[in-house]
Amino acid sequence: NAGVTQTPKFRVLKTGQSMTLLCAQDMNHEYMYWYRQDPGMGLRLIHYSVGEGTTAKGEVPDGYNVSRLKKQNFLLGLESAAPSQTSVYFCASIQLAGGEGEQFFGPGTRLTVL
Amino acid sequence: GQNIDQPTEMTATEGAIVQINCTYQTSGFNGLFWYQQHAGEAPTFLSYNVLDGLEEKGRFSSFLSRSKGYSYLLLKELQMKDSASYLCAVRDLDNFNKFYFGSGTKLNVKP
Repeated sequence: NAGVTQTPKFRVLKTGQSMTLLCAQDMNHEYMYWYRQDPGMGLRLIHYSVGEGTTAKGEVPDGYNVSRLKKQNFLLGLESAAPSQTSVYFCASIQLAGGEGEQFFGPGTRLTVL
Repeated sequence: GQNIDQPTEMTATEGAIVQINCTYQTSGFNGLFWYQQHAGEAPTFLSYNVLDGLEEKGRFSSFLSRSKGYSYLLLKELQMKDSASYLCAVRDLDNFNKFYFGSGTKLNVKP
C-alpha cells in the first residue's frame, strides 16, 4: 500500500495562476482532509470530505475549492493564487471519525506564490 | 472553535525525560491526539486520549484531564531521533469529522 500520496511535491506559481493539488489514498478511507501549515500556526483545516461526492468547509476555506468525485481522490483547487497561499499543504485521511480517528498524512505539497 | 496552546520550543538532553504540555479551551471535546512531525516530513500519529488518565506506549505516554482542559506528552529515555515537532490536536464534539491542531512544540534533543 502506498498510503496517502500527493501530487505535485513542489510548485511555484505566479499571482493569479490556477492549479489543482491531487491527493490519493489506497486504504479505502471514508474521510479526507486538506490542511495548510504555516510557520508558527500549526495545521489549519481548509476543507474536508466525509465520503464520495461530499465536501465541507473547514477553518480557512476562502480562495480554495475541492472535489471528491472518487472515494480515493480528493482535489484541492486554487482558482487565482495569491502570495498569502504560499504554504505547505497536507492531505490526510481516516477510516472512521469515531474510535481513535488516527489521521494518515500525505508527504505534503510545498507551494510558493510569487 | 478551539483554542489550543503549546510551548513553542523546548530543549532536553539525550537519555532524559521531557514533558510537553497542551492546554485547550473548547466548546465541545471528543478526544485529544498527539502527532510527531520531523522537519520537512508529514505528521505521524503517536497517541489518543478520550478519557482522563495516562496512556502508555513504550517510551511515550500521554495524559489527559478533561476537567482542566489539559494534556501532556511524556517522552522517556530521549534519543536524538526524538528531535521533532510535537502537535496536539483536539476533535470537535459536535462534528466528529473536524480536528483542530495546536501550533506544535519543537523539541531539540542535545547530546
